Amino acid sequence: GAVVSQHPSRVICKSGTSVKIECRSLDFQATTMFWYRQFPKKSLMLMATSNEGSKATYEQGVEKDKFLINHASLTLSTLTVTSAHPEDSSFYICSASPGTGLSDTQYFGPGTRLTVL
Amino acid sequence: AQSVTQPDIHITVSEGASLELRCNYSYGATPYLFWYVQSPGQGLQLLLKYFSGDTLVQGIKGFEAEFKRSQSSFNLRKPSVHWSDAAEYFCAVGAGYSSASKIIFGSGTRLSIRP
Repeated sequence: GAVVSQHPSRVICKSGTSVKIECRSLDFQATTMFWYRQFPKKSLMLMATSNEGSKATYEQGVEKDKFLINHASLTLSTLTVTSAHPEDSSFYICSASPGTGLSDTQYFGPGTRLTVL
Repeated sequence: AQSVTQPDIHITVSEGASLELRCNYSYGATPYLFWYVQSPGQGLQLLLKYFSGDTLVQGIKGFEAEFKRSQSSFNLRKPSVHWSDAAEYFCAVGAGYSSASKIIFGSGTRLSIRP
């Protein structure tokens, strides 16, 4: 089956620094990628939708200047948390879609645990 | 707007017993519905999905779900649970009719298995 990887799997950073998380589709080209955030014992909250070669579409309430998304190729999307603060600590999950067909499905990465000290 | 409700936060069942996890959705048209499972420290795995056709959908790991339009429900069932089924289960609805549409998740139901 299709595989989506995320790197790093976990990261600890100091408050005020920026952190980049990568999401890669390993064996398919992903025209669309999604970024989710999951708080402890909570559901996944969609942050943004990114299409290759165009600007990401952010959900209401998500700061686009704080959570920078780049989808520069059909196999890679990055999420950069700028000037991270402890409240940004969370589990970030990406998903990738190979196309627009009904038989297609989104494939989820294993997630990245971010801890901001 | 689309939404998903999972009324049960935590369920405990005995190993070998049957299981039903509830899910209700809100959507203006025929929904694109999913059930995902998340094990501790793992990513999300798709158990099954429904778009059209037979309202009883078979998934992986012995799970099935039934779409009931009249009740706006898509409950997940398994006839006999195994200890390895302990995990977090998420019901979700697609905001459109393609895999490139965003998915809206319910709050999740944590399943514990009693030996």
